[in-house]
Amino acid sequence: DSGVTQTPKHLITATGQRVTLRCSPRSGDLSVYWYQQSLDQGLQFLIQYYNGEERAKGNILERFSAQQFPDLHSELNLSSLELGDSALYFCASSPSARLAGRGRQFFGPGTRLTVL
Amino acid sequence: EDKVVQSPLSLVVHEGDTVTLNCSYEVTNFRSLLWYKQEKKAPTFLFMLTSSGIEKKSGRLSSILDKKELFSILNITATQTGDSAIYLCAVNAGGTSYGKLTFGQGTILTVHP
Repeated sequence: DSGVTQTPKHLITATGQRVTLRCSPRSGDLSVYWYQQSLDQGLQFLIQYYNGEERAKGNILERFSAQQFPDLHSELNLSSLELGDSALYFCASSPSARLAGRGRQFFGPGTRLTVL
Repeated sequence: EDKVVQSPLSLVVHEGDTVTLNCSYEVTNFRSLLWYKQEKKAPTFLFMLTSSGIEKKSGRLSSILDKKELFSILNITATQTGDSAIYLCAVNAGGTSYGKLTFGQGTILTVHP
Protein backbone atom coordinates (compact mmCIF):
# COMPACT_ATOMS: atom_id res chain seq x y z
CA ASP A 1 0.00 0.00 0.00
CA SER A 2 1.63 3.21 -1.21
CA GLY A 3 -0.49 5.51 0.94
CA VAL A 4 -2.03 7.19 -2.10
CA THR A 5 -5.78 6.64 -2.37
CA GLN A 6 -7.98 6.96 -5.42
CA THR A 7 -11.72 6.77 -5.86
CA PRO A 8 -13.65 5.27 -7.46
CA LYS A 9 -11.88 2.02 -8.37
CA HIS A 10 -14.06 1.45 -11.40
CA LEU A 11 -16.22 3.76 -13.46
CA ILE A 12 -18.43 2.82 -16.39
CA THR A 13 -20.07 5.61 -18.33
CA ALA A 14 -21.30 6.54 -21.77
CA THR A 15 -19.80 8.66 -24.51
CA GLY A 16 -20.39 12.36 -24.07
CA GLN A 17 -20.58 12.17 -20.30
CA ARG A 18 -18.41 13.86 -17.67
CA VAL A 19 -16.68 12.14 -14.75
CA THR A 20 -14.51 13.18 -11.82
CA LEU A 21 -11.68 11.08 -10.44
CA ARG A 22 -10.39 11.78 -6.97
CA CYS A 23 -6.96 11.33 -5.43
CA SER A 24 -5.56 11.80 -1.92
CA PRO A 25 -1.75 11.93 -1.77
CA ARG A 26 0.43 10.35 0.90
CA SER A 27 0.49 12.28 4.14
CA GLY A 28 2.93 15.17 3.80
CA ASP A 29 3.39 14.94 0.03
CA LEU A 30 2.77 18.24 -1.72
CA SER A 31 3.02 17.08 -5.33
CA VAL A 32 0.30 15.19 -7.15
CA TYR A 33 0.64 13.73 -10.65
CA TRP A 34 -1.95 12.24 -12.98
CA TYR A 35 -1.12 9.53 -15.51
CA GLN A 36 -3.15 7.66 -18.08
CA GLN A 37 -2.34 4.06 -18.95
CA SER A 38 -3.82 2.46 -22.04
CA LEU A 39 -2.78 -0.67 -23.91
CA ASP A 40 -1.52 1.17 -26.98
CA GLN A 41 0.03 4.24 -25.31
CA GLY A 42 1.53 2.86 -22.13
CA LEU A 43 1.82 5.14 -19.09
CA GLN A 44 1.49 8.78 -20.14
CA PHE A 45 1.94 11.82 -17.92
CA LEU A 46 -1.02 14.16 -17.91
CA ILE A 47 -0.48 16.91 -15.35
CA GLN A 48 1.29 17.81 -12.09
CA TYR A 49 0.20 20.00 -9.20
CA TYR A 50 2.38 21.23 -6.39
CA ASN A 51 0.77 22.68 -3.27
CA GLY A 52 -2.30 23.79 -5.16
CA GLU A 53 -0.61 25.17 -8.26
CA GLU A 54 -0.21 23.60 -11.67
CA ARG A 55 3.47 22.76 -12.14
CA ALA A 56 3.82 20.75 -15.36
CA LYS A 57 1.57 19.66 -18.17
CA GLY A 58 1.89 16.66 -20.46
CA ASN A 59 -0.28 15.41 -23.27
CA ILE A 60 -3.51 16.32 -21.54
CA LEU A 61 -6.53 16.88 -23.76
CA GLU A 62 -8.46 20.14 -23.54
CA ARG A 63 -11.50 18.10 -22.48
CA PHE A 64 -9.57 17.11 -19.35
CA SER A 65 -8.84 19.38 -16.42
CA ALA A 66 -7.51 18.97 -12.91
CA GLN A 67 -7.11 20.88 -9.70
CA GLN A 68 -5.53 20.47 -6.28
CA PHE A 69 -7.40 21.68 -3.26
CA PRO A 70 -6.07 23.31 -0.05
CA ASP A 71 -6.16 19.94 1.75
CA LEU A 72 -3.91 18.67 -1.10
CA HIS A 73 -6.35 16.18 -2.55
CA SER A 74 -6.74 16.41 -6.31
CA GLU A 75 -9.47 15.83 -8.83
CA LEU A 76 -9.21 14.99 -12.51
CA ASN A 77 -12.24 15.98 -14.56
CA LEU A 78 -12.87 14.27 -17.87
CA SER A 79 -15.63 15.65 -20.07
CA SER A 80 -17.23 14.88 -23.44
CA LEU A 81 -15.93 11.37 -23.01
CA GLU A 82 -15.00 9.29 -26.03
CA LEU A 83 -14.42 5.56 -26.41
CA GLY A 84 -10.69 6.19 -26.63
CA ASP A 85 -10.66 7.68 -23.13
CA SER A 86 -11.16 4.21 -21.67
CA ALA A 87 -8.01 3.58 -19.67
CA LEU A 88 -6.52 3.19 -16.22
CA TYR A 89 -5.94 6.59 -14.59
CA PHE A 90 -3.28 6.74 -11.91
CA CYS A 91 -2.54 9.40 -9.40
CA ALA A 92 0.92 9.59 -7.84
CA SER A 93 2.46 11.76 -5.16
CA SER A 94 5.97 12.66 -4.13
CA PRO A 95 7.62 14.41 -1.19
CA SER A 96 8.60 18.05 -1.46
CA ALA A 97 12.04 18.94 -2.79
CA ARG A 98 13.29 19.61 0.72
CA LEU A 99 12.53 16.13 2.01
CA ALA A 100 14.42 12.87 1.64
CA GLY A 101 13.08 10.65 -1.09
CA ARG A 102 12.30 13.55 -3.37
CA GLY A 103 11.90 12.52 -6.99
CA ARG A 104 10.28 9.21 -6.09
CA GLN A 105 6.66 9.00 -7.08
CA PHE A 106 4.28 6.69 -5.27
CA PHE A 107 1.28 5.49 -7.23
CA GLY A 108 -2.28 4.99 -6.12
CA PRO A 109 -4.29 1.90 -7.09
CA GLY A 110 -5.82 3.63 -10.11
CA THR A 111 -9.31 4.20 -11.45
CA ARG A 112 -10.38 2.03 -14.37
CA LEU A 113 -12.58 4.08 -16.67
CA THR A 114 -14.70 2.33 -19.27
CA VAL A 115 -16.55 4.46 -21.79
CA LEU A 116 -19.30 2.62 -23.65
CA GLU B 1 10.89 15.09 -26.96
CA ASP B 2 11.99 12.87 -24.10
CA LYS B 3 12.17 9.19 -25.00
CA VAL B 4 12.63 5.97 -23.02
CA VAL B 5 13.02 2.61 -24.73
CA GLN B 6 13.01 -0.72 -22.94
CA SER B 7 14.12 -4.11 -24.15
CA PRO B 8 13.17 -6.81 -24.45
CA LEU B 9 9.43 -6.14 -24.58
CA SER B 10 8.73 -9.56 -23.14
CA LEU B 11 10.73 -12.33 -21.58
CA VAL B 12 9.84 -15.86 -20.47
CA VAL B 13 12.16 -17.68 -18.09
CA HIS B 14 12.11 -20.49 -15.54
CA GLU B 15 12.50 -20.16 -11.82
CA GLY B 16 16.11 -19.79 -10.82
CA ASP B 17 17.18 -18.03 -14.01
CA THR B 18 18.87 -14.62 -13.97
CA VAL B 19 17.42 -11.88 -16.16
CA THR B 20 18.69 -8.52 -17.33
CA LEU B 21 16.24 -5.83 -18.41
CA ASN B 22 17.45 -2.87 -20.42
CA CYS B 23 16.43 0.76 -20.52
CA SER B 24 17.88 3.46 -22.77
CA TYR B 25 16.84 7.07 -22.73
CA GLU B 26 17.12 10.42 -24.48
CA VAL B 27 16.09 13.35 -22.31
CA THR B 28 17.16 16.90 -21.78
CA ASN B 29 18.07 17.96 -18.23
CA PHE B 30 18.27 14.43 -16.85
CA ARG B 31 17.61 14.26 -13.11
CA SER B 32 16.98 10.62 -12.27
CA LEU B 33 15.97 7.22 -13.61
CA LEU B 34 13.42 5.10 -11.80
CA TRP B 35 12.41 1.44 -12.00
CA TYR B 36 8.92 0.27 -11.11
CA LYS B 37 7.26 -3.14 -10.91
CA GLN B 38 3.64 -3.36 -12.02
CA GLU B 39 1.65 -6.45 -11.16
CA LYS B 40 -2.10 -6.22 -11.17
CA LYS B 41 -2.57 -2.54 -10.67
CA ALA B 42 -0.36 0.27 -9.40
CA PRO B 43 3.33 0.49 -10.26
CA THR B 44 5.42 -0.03 -7.12
CA PHE B 45 8.73 1.75 -6.70
CA LEU B 46 11.92 -0.32 -6.94
CA PHE B 47 14.91 1.99 -7.42
CA MET B 48 15.84 5.55 -8.17
CA LEU B 49 19.26 6.18 -9.73
CA THR B 50 20.89 9.55 -10.11
CA SER B 51 24.63 8.83 -10.24
CA SER B 52 26.50 6.84 -12.81
CA GLY B 53 28.18 3.60 -11.87
CA ILE B 54 26.68 3.19 -8.42
CA GLU B 55 24.76 -0.03 -8.09
CA LYS B 56 21.53 -0.06 -6.13
CA LYS B 57 20.60 -3.38 -4.59
CA SER B 58 17.56 -4.80 -2.89
CA GLY B 59 17.59 -8.53 -2.25
CA ARG B 60 17.76 -10.33 -5.59
CA LEU B 61 17.24 -7.13 -7.56
CA SER B 62 19.94 -4.69 -8.54
CA SER B 63 20.23 -1.80 -10.94
CA ILE B 64 22.93 0.43 -12.34
CA LEU B 65 22.97 3.59 -14.41
CA ASP B 66 25.40 4.67 -17.12
CA LYS B 67 24.89 8.38 -17.73
CA LYS B 68 27.53 8.51 -20.44
CA GLU B 69 25.90 5.82 -22.56
CA LEU B 70 22.37 6.84 -21.45
CA PHE B 71 21.13 3.49 -20.24
CA SER B 72 20.29 1.47 -17.19
CA ILE B 73 19.90 -2.22 -16.47
CA LEU B 74 17.81 -4.05 -13.94
CA ASN B 75 19.05 -7.48 -12.89
CA ILE B 76 16.99 -10.10 -11.14
CA THR B 77 18.84 -13.18 -9.91
CA ALA B 78 17.33 -16.53 -8.90
CA THR B 79 13.95 -15.51 -10.34
CA GLN B 80 10.75 -16.67 -8.67
CA THR B 81 7.19 -16.90 -9.99
CA GLY B 82 6.37 -13.86 -7.87
CA ASP B 83 8.72 -11.80 -10.03
CA SER B 84 6.28 -12.14 -12.93
CA ALA B 85 5.19 -8.59 -13.69
CA ILE B 86 5.68 -5.65 -16.00
CA TYR B 87 8.88 -3.78 -15.24
CA LEU B 88 8.75 -0.11 -16.10
CA CYS B 89 11.64 2.26 -16.53
CA ALA B 90 11.00 6.00 -16.23
CA VAL B 91 13.10 9.13 -16.46
CA ASN B 92 12.60 12.31 -14.48
CA ALA B 93 13.79 15.37 -16.34
CA GLY B 94 14.31 18.88 -15.09
CA GLY B 95 13.62 22.28 -16.56
CA THR B 96 10.04 22.85 -17.66
CA SER B 97 9.45 19.10 -17.44
CA TYR B 98 10.40 18.99 -13.77
CA GLY B 99 8.52 16.28 -11.93
CA LYS B 100 7.17 14.62 -15.03
CA LEU B 101 8.07 10.94 -15.48
CA THR B 102 8.50 9.66 -19.01
CA PHE B 103 7.94 5.91 -19.09
CA GLY B 104 9.18 3.23 -21.41
CA GLN B 105 6.83 0.63 -22.86
CA GLY B 106 7.71 -1.84 -20.15
CA THR B 107 9.14 -5.37 -20.17
CA ILE B 108 6.67 -8.16 -19.45
CA LEU B 109 8.49 -10.80 -17.44
CA THR B 110 6.94 -14.25 -17.05
CA VAL B 111 8.61 -16.72 -14.69
CA HIS B 112 7.49 -20.33 -15.01
CA PRO B 113 7.87 -22.81 -12.14
